[in-house]
Amino acid sequence: KQEVTQIPAALSVPEGENLVLNCSFTDSAIYNLQWFRQDPGKGLTSLLLIQSSQREQTSGRLNASLDKSSGRSTLYIAASQPGDSATYLCAVTPGNTPLVFGKGTRLSVIA
Amino acid sequence: NAGVTQTPKFQVLKTGQSMTLQCAQDMNHEYMSWYRQDPGMGLRLIHYSVGAGITDQGEVPNGYNVSRSTTEDFPLRLLSAAPSQTSVYFCASSLSGGGETQYFGPGTRLLVL
Repeated sequence: KQEVTQIPAALSVPEGENLVLNCSFTDSAIYNLQWFRQDPGKGLTSLLLIQSSQREQTSGRLNASLDKSSGRSTLYIAASQPGDSATYLCAVTPGNTPLVFGKGTRLSVIA
Repeated sequence: NAGVTQTPKFQVLKTGQSMTLQCAQDMNHEYMSWYRQDPGMGLRLIHYSVGAGITDQGEVPNGYNVSRSTTEDFPLRLLSAAPSQTSVYFCASSLSGGGETQYFGPGTRLLVL
């Protein structure tokens, strides 16, 4: 059974710092990996989707990498801002089938 | 486009009552799914559908029923509510499967007393 782990569970950084969020999964036979953002009391918003054949994806200040063989992904946030404060979740799927989610990392960016 | 909409936003039920959580999308997506989110447990899949007339169970289906009579709608029914079903429920959709970008609704917060 696929399991997804996100460490740390919570992170607090000063504004302007570059930071890395980690995601690991137990079964490397994945179709793709997705990163989401969730604001308090809101639904999830898709940030980046990395296909299993890709090594990374970039969107603005966000860069997600994927190392399928080691079962790891990282989400890099450059020059963090208070508006980046949210919970970040990663999820994987073995095919075009339901996602398996990690429990998320709660990020606080302090002005 | 309204995207994925969910109603109600908040509901209080008594143990044993039944209710339906509504989910609709206007993006002509074939794939729809229901998750519940609980503190410390993350998001867990309840049921999903790959198209009208086709549904399947997820990780935690007990106590919930679904049907998919149209592409747009995917309601979730609680037959006899229990306190263990107190949670936040999210509906999501994508073009054709779980391996594509998922669009989530705003959630329904359910409290069962």
